[in-house]
Amino acid sequence: LAKTTQPISMDSYEGQEVNITCSHNNIATNDYITWYQQFPSQGPRFIIQGYKTKVTNEVASLFIPADRKSSTLSLPRVSLSDTAVYYCLVGSSLNRDDKIIFGKGTRLHILP
Amino acid sequence: GAGVSQSPSNKVTEKGKDVELRCDPISGHTALYWYRQSLGQGLEFLIYFQGNSAPDKSGLPSDRFSAERTGGSVSTLTIQRTQQEDSAVYLCASSSQGGISYNEQFFGPGTRLTVL
Repeated sequence: LAKTTQPISMDSYEGQEVNITCSHNNIATNDYITWYQQFPSQGPRFIIQGYKTKVTNEVASLFIPADRKSSTLSLPRVSLSDTAVYYCLVGSSLNRDDKIIFGKGTRLHILP
Repeated sequence: GAGVSQSPSNKVTEKGKDVELRCDPISGHTALYWYRQSLGQGLEFLIYFQGNSAPDKSGLPSDRFSAERTGGSVSTLTIQRTQQEDSAVYLCASSSQGGISYNEQFFGPGTRLTVL
């Protein structure tokens, strides 16, 4: 099971672009990369998922280099409401027995 | 449609008592997961159900913890002889099928358990 490493915390200011990088050096061929967001007192919610190159949706972009050993979640023009914990997960659609490891995530704090 | 629901939202109990936590997944979701989150910590995986069977129980912290799922729907997590270290938020999630690290999980609001 691919292990992920993320920064413990990050600070940024409103209106800035925030990039959170996740390392997953032993990612397997069939693994996808998924990011979740968790606000205080709520369960996590799915943000974005990708396999390679770039994925963009209404919330964020996900950049994955060719070697797939890392990925970067990009949040454009953040606001105070983007203050949350962001989790990076790696896993395969083929493996039904993965143990899901969310880790401690990256605690993002947006300042006014 | 309705999301994942959990009950109770809060539970305060005395040390040594048994507690039962309930999770109603999204209708039609075959996979169901239980996690535990202590204050300021990440999510700790407890158990995963595919249908009514639990392929992976290795996350359960001790034999005081058990979970069942009947009819491929509702699940209950039971903690016997609760200890103060069991105090945490217990989160339930469901997803449409297996491939559990891949498929989008939908989380409930959690049950905050406090053991006095």
